[in-house]
Parts: sequence; structure tokens; C-alpha cells
Amino acid sequence: GENVEQHPSTLSVQEGDSAVIKCTYSDSASNYFPWYKQELGKRPQLIIDIRSNVGEKKDQRIAVTLNKTAKHFSLHITETQPEDSAVYFCAASSTTGGYNKLIFGAGTRLAVHP
Amino acid sequence: DTEVTQTPKHLVMGMTNKKSLKCEQHMGHRAMYWYKQKAKKPPELMFVYSYEKLSINESVPSRFSPECPNSSLLNLHLHALQPEDSALYLCASSQEANYGYTFGSGTRLTVV
Repeated sequence: GENVEQHPSTLSVQEGDSAVIKCTYSDSASNYFPWYKQELGKRPQLIIDIRSNVGEKKDQRIAVTLNKTAKHFSLHITETQPEDSAVYFCAASSTTGGYNKLIFGAGTRLAVHP
Repeated sequence: DTEVTQTPKHLVMGMTNKKSLKCEQHMGHRAMYWYKQKAKKPPELMFVYSYEKLSINESVPSRFSPECPNSSLLNLHLHALQPEDSALYLCASSQEANYGYTFGSGTRLTVV
């Protein structure tokens, strides 16, 4: 089955700096890669996703890159703000039928210091 | 309506109790999911329903019993749970393949 590894487990940056979180996946059939942000005590929320036919996607300060050959994808956050502090999860899915079977990475705890 | 609603938000139950968790969405999503999340861990998939049929059971113990009465509702029936089953139980739905999940707020379950 799919296995997703995520690094680093914790990341501490100064406000305004960039943050990068990296994930690798094992199943070459995986074709959908979302990123979720989970604040303490709250639900995971989808912040950006990328499909296997695209190499890069950007949404304001957030971007995701995908390298299918290396089975590697990354989340980039620029101009970080204290409200970006949260746990970020990457996930991968080899979609089939009418659903996604998302397998999550272990998570990265991001702390943005003012 | 762009939300997934879960009830109750908190539940404390004894090991001999029977209880149910409920999940509802009105976004027309045809896939619904149950995940379990322990503290400081990622969500772990338990069950997937697609078009109201059970598509995946990730070898979940039989003390957890899912039910999908219709395309908007998903239940998780609990019976004879163990203290190690204490966790946040998250329901999610998705439009179809290649679309992200919308998660509910979860039910924080404590088994005593």
C-alpha cells in the first residue's frame, strides 16, 4: 500500500521568512496530492492540492511542486505570518472509482515567531 | 451548505456502552469517510463509502460498525470499546476522485 513520508517534523521560522515542507510517496499510481492545515483542536482544512498532470501550482503565498519521477512533492509558504502556525499534513491518493483513499504523512508542526 | 456536520462534539462512554456518531453533508458528495486521529498523529483511514456502499474497511475491529443510511448521512456505531479507542473521530466527504476532502469538526471520544 501507499506510504507517505514527511519532513521535517517540526519547523520554526521568523515572520516573513519562507517555509518548505517535503513529502515522498511510494505508490507510483498515486495521482492526487493535497495539503491540509490543522490548527490546535480544529479540523484539517484543505489549503492546496495538485494532480499528477501538473508540476506546480500556486495560490497567493502558498505553492506546491510535484516531481513524479522522484515521487516527491513539496509545500512552499512565503512571507510567513504568525497565523500560519499549525500542523501541516501532506497526503497522497491513487484514486479509484468515485473516491480518494488519502494516506497522510506524519505531519509538520510549523511555528512562526513574530 | 459547504460543511460537514458531526454530532456529538464530545462523547464519554463506558466500555459496556453502545453509542453512535453521526455525520451529515448536503454538498452532494458521493464519497464519505471515517478517520481516526490520535493526539499528535495524522488521521488514519477507517472506512470509505462510495455511492452509499462500503468500499473500504481498513481492517477495523468489529466494535466499530459503519452505516450509510442515505447519500447525506454517515453513522459510526460503537460497542464495547476499549480505552485505547479514545481519539478524535473525523468524518469527511469528497465530490469524487481527485478532489479533496471536506472534514467535519470531529467527535472527541473518551472511553472510560
